[in-house]
Amino acid sequence: EAQVTQNPRYLITVTGKKLTVTCSQNMNHEYMSWYRQDPGLGLRQIYYSMNVEVTDKGDVPEGYKVSRKEKRNFPLILESPSPNQTSLYFCASSLQSGDSSNQPQHFGDGTRLSIL
Amino acid sequence: QKEVEQDPGPLSVPEGAIVSLNCTYSNSAFQYFMWYRQYSRKGPELLMYTYSSGNKEDGRFTAQVDKSSKYISLFIRDSQPSDSATYLCARRGFQKLVFGTGTRLLVSP
Repeated sequence: EAQVTQNPRYLITVTGKKLTVTCSQNMNHEYMSWYRQDPGLGLRQIYYSMNVEVTDKGDVPEGYKVSRKEKRNFPLILESPSPNQTSLYFCASSLQSGDSSNQPQHFGDGTRLSIL
Repeated sequence: QKEVEQDPGPLSVPEGAIVSLNCTYSNSAFQYFMWYRQYSRKGPELLMYTYSSGNKEDGRFTAQVDKSSKYISLFIRDSQPSDSATYLCARRGFQKLVFGTGTRLLVSP
């Protein structure tokens, strides 16, 4: 089954304790992206990757890191989490990306992070 | 001003009603628009996409883009309780999707 898998689905942690949210897709997609979803603000892009070893900032990258060492995986790293990073996070992938592309983005089921 | 704006709702309708969900957008340079549906505790899933202006129909769903007024609409005919979800409109941007905040739809039996 084609899917984007995120882990963990839920996490409660404390300020400053490094954490990693994993994302894996089994569709051989080139493009992967991380979004956060907040009430009243909607989904906002954090980072994206157009292919292995190619990553770039989205609209809200502060406090996050990513890596793309393999095509299928795109982990999101919070080196020193803070309470304002409490949010619902989604990983997405698509075959390709581009301004003219109609390739749909497939989303994972989300990771709810609470930073105390 | 947000790039894509939606009324958050909730919008409550009885089963069988025709539902109209709407968005406005500010940047007319982009051509692709999408509608995603998001169930509780799930990720968004693509419902429909449209290119430029015009209508696109898929079963009970019709997506419409009016570039002159910068309006994006989704119509749902014969709405069902299973249509209860949050509907997100989005436009394709530079290496990303730009989303509205979503409209919550409740269809009662």
